[in-house]
This record gives sequence, C-alpha cells and structure tokens, in this order.
Amino acid sequence: QVQLVESGGGVVQPGGSLRLSCAASGFTFSSYGMHWVRQAPGKGLEWVAFIRYDGSNKYYADSVKGRFTISRDNSKNTLYLQMNSLRAEDTAVYYCAKEDFDYWGQGTLVTVSS
Amino acid sequence: DIQMTQSPSSLSASVGDRVTITCRASQGIRNDLGWYQQKPGKAPKRLIYAASSLQSGVPSRFSGSGSGTEFTLTISSLQPEDFATYYCLQHNSYPPWTFGQGTKVEIK
Repeated sequence: QVQLVESGGGVVQPGGSLRLSCAASGFTFSSYGMHWVRQAPGKGLEWVAFIRYDGSNKYYADSVKGRFTISRDNSKNTLYLQMNSLRAEDTAVYYCAKEDFDYWGQGTLVTVSS
Repeated sequence: DIQMTQSPSSLSASVGDRVTITCRASQGIRNDLGWYQQKPGKAPKRLIYAASSLQSGVPSRFSGSGSGTEFTLTISSLQPEDFATYYCLQHNSYPPWTFGQGTKVEIK
C-alpha cells in the first residue's frame, strides 16, 4: 500500500534553515510528481511546492518562492523540501502528497520561533 | 490564480441530517476538483475526485456534483464519524493549486 512518511520537522529560529524529507513506498515513486502542502495552526491548507516525476520542473507558491527548494532522489524514493530564511509565518504542519493529491503523509511540524 | 470560495465556513448539524457544502471557482475549472475530509491531527483524506467520482472505500453517503464554477459535496445522512473539516481543491489551472477555505461540520 502507498505510504508517505515525512520527517525533519522541529523548532528553528527566524532566519534559520530546515530540510524536510518524505519517504515514499508502495508505488513507483519515479513515475509521479510530488507536492508539499502546509497547514498553519488552526488554519486551512496551503499548497507550497510541486516537482515533476523526473525533477525537470518545479513550481512554488509566491509565499515561499526564493526561500524554499523542492527536490527529489528517485534512487532513494525520497522527496525533500529545503527551507531557508524561515519566518514565523512558516510555522505549520508540512505534508507531502502524491501528484493527484490522492495520498498524503501524516505531516511533520515546523515551528519558527525565537 | 483561481480562487476557490467555499461555503459555509462552518455548520452545525445532527446525526442523520443531510449536509451540503459548496465550492465556487473564480473561473471555469471543468470537473478538475476534489473534496477532502480532515479530522483533528490527521492528514486530509480524499473523498471525491473529478468532482463526482467516489474514492474507493469511501461510504456512498458522500457524493459530489458540479462542473465549471459551482460544485457541491453532499452527505446524505450525517454519521458521528463525519464530524470534521472539509476542503475542496482545484487542479485545473496551476500553479498554484488552490484549496477552499474549509467547512467545519460540528455536532448540533
């Protein structure tokens, strides 16, 4: 069965960096694009970034463009989100999701606070 | 960017009630819309895809309809396990992919 498992969340100071990972199993990872979606505490869902199956194209929400980088390693079935210049408003649970948003991970919490 | 306007933002209903949630797109999105259920502390779960197709394993009391700019999620007979927050998501014109603001279904 499809499994997506995020890791790498934690507490970081404003201006700091963090790298999230999403380990995929149960499907042919290298054939599907992948998304990151976040949810601030008590708020709705916000799409963050997408990467095509082969990494050839990447798209970002305006709120994270220039600060976040999505990448993938198809040999390791793993998706990444490098987050730099973090701000308080980046505090959220971050989910990875398969291309059609049909499968989601359980999420990892990122807290940006001094 | 396509804006998704979801209504109501919250509602109170009783077990057995029929519940309807609406999503309106700022421009036509054909049937490129999904509905999701999210319970506290859990990831979203897809209920409906392509506006009206029921995800495998989802109870038949859930149904979706609509095309173009107006979409509806209906729960025909609300069950205790259905109390949650529901979101629509458009995947017609991207980036960005856009969600509705959410509808919290609470117990009356």
